[in-house]
Amino acid sequence: DQQVKQNSPSLSVQEGRISILNCDYTNSMFDYFLWYKKYPAEGPTFLISISSIKDKNEDGRFTVFLNKSAKHLSLHIVPSQPGDSAVYFCAASGPLTGNQFYFGTGTSLTVIP
Amino acid sequence: EPEVTQTPSHQVTQMGQEVILRCVPISNHLYFYWYRQILGQKVEFLVSFYNNEISEKSEIFDDQFSVERPDGSNFTLKIRSTKLEDSAMYFCASSDLPGTGPYGANVLTFGAGSRLTVL
Repeated sequence: DQQVKQNSPSLSVQEGRISILNCDYTNSMFDYFLWYKKYPAEGPTFLISISSIKDKNEDGRFTVFLNKSAKHLSLHIVPSQPGDSAVYFCAASGPLTGNQFYFGTGTSLTVIP
Repeated sequence: EPEVTQTPSHQVTQMGQEVILRCVPISNHLYFYWYRQILGQKVEFLVSFYNNEISEKSEIFDDQFSVERPDGSNFTLKIRSTKLEDSAMYFCASSDLPGTGPYGANVLTFGAGSRLTVL
């Protein structure tokens, strides 16, 4: 049961351009979404979150957009930097998921200098 | 910056052997978790732990798995009799708030992971 899906396993972007990472979910009860970034040999680190009462949250170069009707969220990184090259995981939770976060399979972003 | 530390970073074991993975959560955190990621697959929830007891567990967390907080700092995951399909990266995480909630910064801080290889 893949409740959170990241359909693009990889993405390559030129330095300075925008990176857009997508995430879809199936459970309409999810109301809290997070993006985590993971470098090789490290654990996932929190990047940005959004609750369902918002449709956009911005933190510096990172913006997350939430489209509840489409059950879709996206992470925009602009401008992209080589240090952004990592695997990005989308995660979701809701009032009926208890303490669980449901993660996607990740998208590997490569920013080309 | 406070961090979650996990040991060992990599363990190779024979099928049927017991394995203990160790974690030191962030000191003022109250909620503890184990997740795992089989190579190429999604990160999956295993178990959450609060107030010295399991608060939630997934279907993966069967009788072969157990967790313990033997002292004030360590949080361990034990696999009693490992199977080939237990090979994965196991992530420990902790948080100072419950893992869900739309209004608070309910963020999990993850450790670097312990890679378990079962032969």
